[in-house]
Amino acid sequence: DIVMTQSPLSLPVTLGQPASISCRSSQSLVHSDGNTYLNWFQQRPGQSPRRLIYKVSNRDSGVPDRFSGSGSGTDFTLKISRVEAEDVGIYYCMQGTDWPRTFGQGTRVDIK
Amino acid sequence: EVQLLESGGGLVQPGGSLRLSCAASGFTFSGYSMSWVRQAPGKGLDWVSVIDHSGADTYYADSVKGRFTVSRDNSKNTLFLQLNSLRAEDTAVYYCAKDEVVPGTPGIWGQGTLVTVSS
Repeated sequence: DIVMTQSPLSLPVTLGQPASISCRSSQSLVHSDGNTYLNWFQQRPGQSPRRLIYKVSNRDSGVPDRFSGSGSGTDFTLKISRVEAEDVGIYYCMQGTDWPRTFGQGTRVDIK
Repeated sequence: EVQLLESGGGLVQPGGSLRLSCAASGFTFSGYSMSWVRQAPGKGLDWVSVIDHSGADTYYADSVKGRFTVSRDNSKNTLFLQLNSLRAEDTAVYYCAKDEVVPGTPGIWGQGTLVTVSS
């Protein structure tokens, strides 16, 4: 199975400041079709998860443009350009390239 | 608007069985693969299973293979997860999700149903 490793696991941030979360996979996420199926999810307290990013850098509908994804191969990053109070929660990366699908451990983002 | 409504969770003894349902609306159910993802209390997300749009193809996490069975009824827009031989470590909120972009990749999630395995 592909192991997804996130860092940091806890990220205290100042409102209005940027934040960055790293996700590394134990093997390349480049699929045989040429796509890289790396996703990012947000789970706010008490809510179901919500997908933010698919295929490394594509924002889902309704996701603010302060969220961006980047990376390739085995190293990926989720960036929040200016953190807002509503961004508090846990963020997960997930690979959709190989079976079984696997999630990272999650990164808890809260306000300093 | 896409809606996914899970039901069927509850308290069950170790070794017991439970059948979860997920009623879908707001999209052409038969056109999409569907996934189940679970989350143990205070823990992270754990991918469980996927079924393709027709019900012909399925995949499972190793931890549930041989004990859980995913199925669907496209005539009733409903997804199912049969949970057998339940263990304490299966205690979790179970989410159904509409896959988007590629099978096994949840795009839209339901609100979840809690399964508690305890004597």
